[in-house]
Amino acid sequence: AQSVTQPDIHITVSEGASLELRCNYSYGATPYLFWYVQSPGQGLQLLLKYFSGDTLVQGIKGFEAEFKRSQSSFNLRKPSVHWSDAAEYFCAVGAASGGYNKLIFGAGTRLAVHP
Amino acid sequence: GAGVSQSPSNKVTEKGKDVELRCDPISGHTALYWYRQSLGQGLEFLIYFQGNSAPDKSGLPSDRFSAERTGGSVSTLTIQRTQQEDSAVYLCASSLEGVGNEKLFFGSGTQLSVL
Repeated sequence: AQSVTQPDIHITVSEGASLELRCNYSYGATPYLFWYVQSPGQGLQLLLKYFSGDTLVQGIKGFEAEFKRSQSSFNLRKPSVHWSDAAEYFCAVGAASGGYNKLIFGAGTRLAVHP
Repeated sequence: GAGVSQSPSNKVTEKGKDVELRCDPISGHTALYWYRQSLGQGLEFLIYFQGNSAPDKSGLPSDRFSAERTGGSVSTLTIQRTQQEDSAVYLCASSLEGVGNEKLFFGSGTQLSVL
């Protein structure tokens, strides 16, 4: 069965600083990997996803993530954080075989941005 | 509709009462998911519907929880004899076909408070 670990419950960065949110997954085969963001008062929105090809994927709002099979990781990065990036970020893993499989989410990382 | 619609947005109930939560997915989406979001727990998978297939109920926490999807569209999540630990945000999502690499479209959720 799939599982996802987001080691950091809460992170605070200064506006303009770089950001890296960690995500580790457990799955027996090549997974589908996702990052979703939940902004205050808004629903969950897909930032980016990986399922094959280039291990560095680009998403919306200037975010990127890198799939590292050897480390079972899919960390989210942004070179310069904006105040509007304050939100909760969820990493998720889905099965890449057998058609459908439920999407399993991590516990989330809450990002605060100091001006 | 334009997006996933959930009602009510907020529900306050007394312990022991039954509640029904409604989800109206995006028109044409064959897959529908229910998740529960509790503080510090991330998104917990509850149940999944895909077309006419038998639903995947593996995430339902107890037999007090049930869900149905009528006519392949609207879904209702029912919680019988509510307990205080049922208090959470219940999120519904839909996707086009329900395969593992698809983007999920989330509703705004129902905030359930059990007194």
